[in-house]
Amino acid sequence: EAGVTQFPSHSVIEKGQTVTLRCDPISGHDNLYWYRRVMGKEIKFLLHFVKESKQDESGMPNNRFLAERTGGTYSTLKVQPAELEDSGVYFCASSQDWDSQETQYFGPGTRLLVL
Amino acid sequence: GQNIDQPTEMTATEGAIVQINCTYQTSGFNGLFWYQQHAGEAPTFLSYNVLDGLEEKGRFSSFLSRSKGYSYLLLKELQMKDSASYLCAVLGRGSTLGRLYFGRGTQLTVWP
Repeated sequence: EAGVTQFPSHSVIEKGQTVTLRCDPISGHDNLYWYRRVMGKEIKFLLHFVKESKQDESGMPNNRFLAERTGGTYSTLKVQPAELEDSGVYFCASSQDWDSQETQYFGPGTRLLVL
Repeated sequence: GQNIDQPTEMTATEGAIVQINCTYQTSGFNGLFWYQQHAGEAPTFLSYNVLDGLEEKGRFSSFLSRSKGYSYLLLKELQMKDSASYLCAVLGRGSTLGRLYFGRGTQLTVWP
């Protein structure tokens, strides 16, 4: 069974540009999460989808970040316009059911560098 | 708020036993996870504790004390491949159901 995949693995952009990150969860997983790790800090929650609906987006830093999950399969996270402080590793995770104790399986992350 | 604390670095020798501690103060608790992360790779699930006590899984064991806000990950018969970052994460509840709160990770280096 394929794990969580993310694309691209790395992205280097200039301040003010737009970047779109993609996450493909494990097939059949209804729950999809985005997290971010800024250098020197802990991994922090951004948002949670249940199928195509945003269950919790309270971790999104500001309105420059837009996440979508059309059709309840893959998800995209767009940053527009990117700022220097957006640099970090963006992780996606998925879990199967709407169960508070369900294990989240992580992707390898997208390393974003904003210059 | 959430505060999860674990040591930044640890070193040990191949074949030895190492214990990685994690303390937490959270407004909601629904269980504690340990993940292993090798450099540049995905965090991979190691263990989950929701009740007090010890959970054993091969060379790895995880312990939880909810009253003390304390957990540890015990790694036995260390191997070189165990060199990695170990992440402690608390699962939220209520309005933060499903959300994981992470510590900064403990970088373990295993020497031959």
